[in-house]
Amino acid sequence: NAGVTQTPKFRILKIGQSMTLQCTQDMNHNYMYWYRQDPGMGLKLIYYSVGAGITDKGEVPNGYNVSRSTTEDFPLRLELAAPSQTSVYFCASSSDKTQPQHFGDGTRLSIL
Amino acid sequence: QKEVEQNSGPLSVPEGAIASLNCTYSDRGSQSFFWYRQYSGKSPELIMFIYSNGDKEDGRFTAQLNKASQYVSLLIRDSQPSDSATYLCAVNTGGFKTIFGAGTRLFVKA
Repeated sequence: NAGVTQTPKFRILKIGQSMTLQCTQDMNHNYMYWYRQDPGMGLKLIYYSVGAGITDKGEVPNGYNVSRSTTEDFPLRLELAAPSQTSVYFCASSSDKTQPQHFGDGTRLSIL
Repeated sequence: QKEVEQNSGPLSVPEGAIASLNCTYSDRGSQSFFWYRQYSGKSPELIMFIYSNGDKEDGRFTAQLNKASQYVSLLIRDSQPSDSATYLCAVNTGGFKTIFGAGTRLFVKA
C-alpha cells in the first residue's frame, strides 16, 4: 500500500526557474495539504484542499500555486524560484480535518 | 504567543527511563491533538492522537490531555535508543488547519 507518494525526492533549481512537485495518494482521502519545513522549524502550511476542485491558502502561500483536479493528485507549482524557497516539502492527506494526517517522504529542494 | 509551543530540547534520558514531552496550545477551542515522531531526514509519522481529557495508552506510549490547562503531553516508558527523534505536537482547532509545534528533540542514551 503506497499511501502518499511524492516526486521527485531531491531537486536543485536555479533562481527564476519553475517546477512542479507531484503528490498522489491512494487512500481516497478528501483532505490534502502541502507543508514546508525549514531546518529546526515546525511544519508551515502552504496550501490545502478539502476535495477535488477546492483549494485554499495556508500560512505561507506566496510564490506557490496548487490545483486539485482529482481526489488522488495535489501538485504544488513553484513559479520563479527564489533562494527563500529552499526547504523540505511534505505532502499529506487525511480522511477528515480532525483526523491524523499521513505524510509522504518529502521533496528536498534547493534553489541556487 | 505561539499557537503551539514545545521545548526544543534536546531532552536526554537514559535507556529504560520515562521520557516526558510537553506541549501547550493557545486556542481553547482546539479539539484534536496529535503526536508525530520524525527521524532525521525522514517524514513525520503518527504516534498517538487524543480527543478527550485524560490519558490514552498505546503500548509504551501514553498521551495526556488537559484542556483546562491547554496542555498535552506524551510519555514514553522504557525508552529505547530507537526512540531518539524529534517529536512534533500538532493541534487542530476544528477548522481546516492543523498547527504544528517546532518539535522537541529526544536523545535516549544506551
